[in-house]
Amino acid sequence: DSGVTQTPKHLITATGQRVTLRCSPRSGDLSVYWYQQSLDQGLQFLIHYYNGEERAKGNILERFSAQQFPDLHSELNLSSLELGDSALYFCASSPSGNQPQHFGDGTRLSIL
Amino acid sequence: DAKTTQPNSMESNEEEPVHLPCNHSTISGTDYIHWYRQLPSQGPEYVIHGLTSNVNNRMASLAIAEDRKSSTLILHRATLRDAAVYYCILDLTGAGSYQLTFGKGTKLSVIP
Repeated sequence: DSGVTQTPKHLITATGQRVTLRCSPRSGDLSVYWYQQSLDQGLQFLIHYYNGEERAKGNILERFSAQQFPDLHSELNLSSLELGDSALYFCASSPSGNQPQHFGDGTRLSIL
Repeated sequence: DAKTTQPNSMESNEEEPVHLPCNHSTISGTDYIHWYRQLPSQGPEYVIHGLTSNVNNRMASLAIAEDRKSSTLILHRATLRDAAVYYCILDLTGAGSYQLTFGKGTKLSVIP
């Protein structure tokens, strides 16, 4: 158990819809990272938040957004969903920078 | 971007040592070398990381070449639970964030 909690574990929805994925980091961790894993693209970094502030953006689509709240949990919002958004979405946390990241078990998103 | 090169797959017999190689010829002086692994149906798991000196922890050892252009992850006695995809990653410290850039990794199979 990594201590990182992601909900829901599975999500099935239709094209054009909007979903919110939630992540609770390990106790005391200030950094939260989001990654997307699809069969054709592998694991890709999306975005990094540190103590409520955005620190870096990776290959994140404009239809996607994220935020980190004062209690340090984070949400990843995906809108106008397309079939290609079907993937595993992982959240990771670390105390601060340049320290090991601990990953949750992911949310499997299926777009029908 | 600093890139890593790993074999696509490797096999090992159970209870034998495993040496997983990684080439990173474009590594910069401040890049840490990280190893993560991903077991089937799970999120990535931190294994070990280092900068210049060899590193040991309860999971594995990391041997770093003197010129830092390659490294080797050593599992001292492979178990069936070690069957996973192993990723060698250079962190993007210079970017001010610690996002992990995953490649395709090495799929390790452990033969009973």
